[in-house]
Amino acid sequence: AQRVTQPEKLLSVFKGAPVELKCNYSYSGSPELFWYVQYSRQRLQLLLRHISRESIKGFTADLNKGETSFHLKKPFAQEEDSAMYYCALSGGYSSASKIIFGSGTRLSIRP
Amino acid sequence: GAGVSQSPSNKVTEKGKDVELRCDPISGHTALYWYRQSLGQGLEFLIYFQGNSAPDKSGLPSDRFSAERTGGSVSTLTIQRTQQEDSAVYLCASSPHMGSQYFGPGTRLTVL
Repeated sequence: AQRVTQPEKLLSVFKGAPVELKCNYSYSGSPELFWYVQYSRQRLQLLLRHISRESIKGFTADLNKGETSFHLKKPFAQEEDSAMYYCALSGGYSSASKIIFGSGTRLSIRP
Repeated sequence: GAGVSQSPSNKVTEKGKDVELRCDPISGHTALYWYRQSLGQGLEFLIYFQGNSAPDKSGLPSDRFSAERTGGSVSTLTIQRTQQEDSAVYLCASSPHMGSQYFGPGTRLTVL
């Protein structure tokens, strides 16, 4: 079955500390993985996707097929990173398909 | 267009009534998705459209829920005989072919 697991509901770190938001997935095939972010009183928006191999706002995520993980990392947290983060999985590269979201992790950056 | 829009932004209804939620996707986006976000929960996939057809309706919670999309554009999600457990934020997203999703602001539904 397709599943995305984010084990931490809440992650609190100090400003300047490294951040790692965990995401594990279950999928029989080659999925596409995403991280979405929702800042306070804003709509959900794409942060990054694994096929782009980008670093957005200092965040990176590497797809580890052996561990079926797609953890989101940032070396030095900033206060403006406080938000809700969702890991998501899609089964299709070449066309629209069902997208499964994890339950989300609330990241809180302490000054 | 400014992005995906949804209406109404808030809807309060009585148990047993029917409600219609509307989504206007970004012009030219071929795919459209509906999700439900309940308090303390993640995003629950409901249905997606490719053009006007819905290849996957597996996420609809019951036969009280239905959705349609016309002209490859606007979509409506209809909930019949609403129940209190239907209370949630209903999110719509659209994406171009092979693209990432762009989300709307959501409709907050409260069933009394």
